Amino acid sequence: AQSVTQLDSQVPVFEEAPVELRCNYSSSVSVYLFWYVQYPNQGLQLLLKYLSGSTLVESINGFEAEFNKSQTSFHLRKPSVHISDTAEYFCAVSDPYDKIIFGKGTRLHILP
Amino acid sequence: SAVISQKPSRDICQRGTSLTIQCQVDSQVTMMFWYRQQPGQSLTLIATANQGSEATYESGFVIDKFPISRPNLTFSTLTVSNMSPEDSSIYLCSVRQQSSTEAFFGQGTRLTVV
Repeated sequence: AQSVTQLDSQVPVFEEAPVELRCNYSSSVSVYLFWYVQYPNQGLQLLLKYLSGSTLVESINGFEAEFNKSQTSFHLRKPSVHISDTAEYFCAVSDPYDKIIFGKGTRLHILP
Repeated sequence: SAVISQKPSRDICQRGTSLTIQCQVDSQVTMMFWYRQQPGQSLTLIATANQGSEATYESGFVIDKFPISRPNLTFSTLTVSNMSPEDSSIYLCSVRQQSSTEAFFGQGTRLTVV
């Protein structure tokens, strides 16, 4: 069975500073990886996904994640955060075309 | 993409009663799932709703407590039975096409049990 571990439950970071949210997954022959974001009092939105090909994937709002098969990691990074990035971030994994399993989430707290 | 409508969006219920949540999708989808998000927690998969057959439940969830129906490829219901305050959560419907890598989520049903 697939599983996901998000190592940090909360990450405080100053505005305009870089941030990394860590995610490790259980290995499988083939796996899809996702980062979802949930802004305060809003629904779940897909931020980015890795399916195959290039190990670096990017989102439209400056986040990127790198798939590292040897370390079974899919860490999320942003070089400079903004107050509007305050949200809960969920790493998720699935077998192709199957149920999606979520990590426990990391709350990103932007400090002024 | 798929547009998912969940009803009700929120409800406050008395303990011991049951609530049925509806999930309607604007197109036929292969897979439908039900998740629970307890306050301040992540999403936990309750079950996979199978069309025309019994749902497949995850460990810790049972049919008597969370009966699920899926009569066709665009509709499913989740019932939370004999509710207690511990059932207070957001319940989310999710869909995924066999040919799609992406899953879509409804806005959720916020349930409070008093």
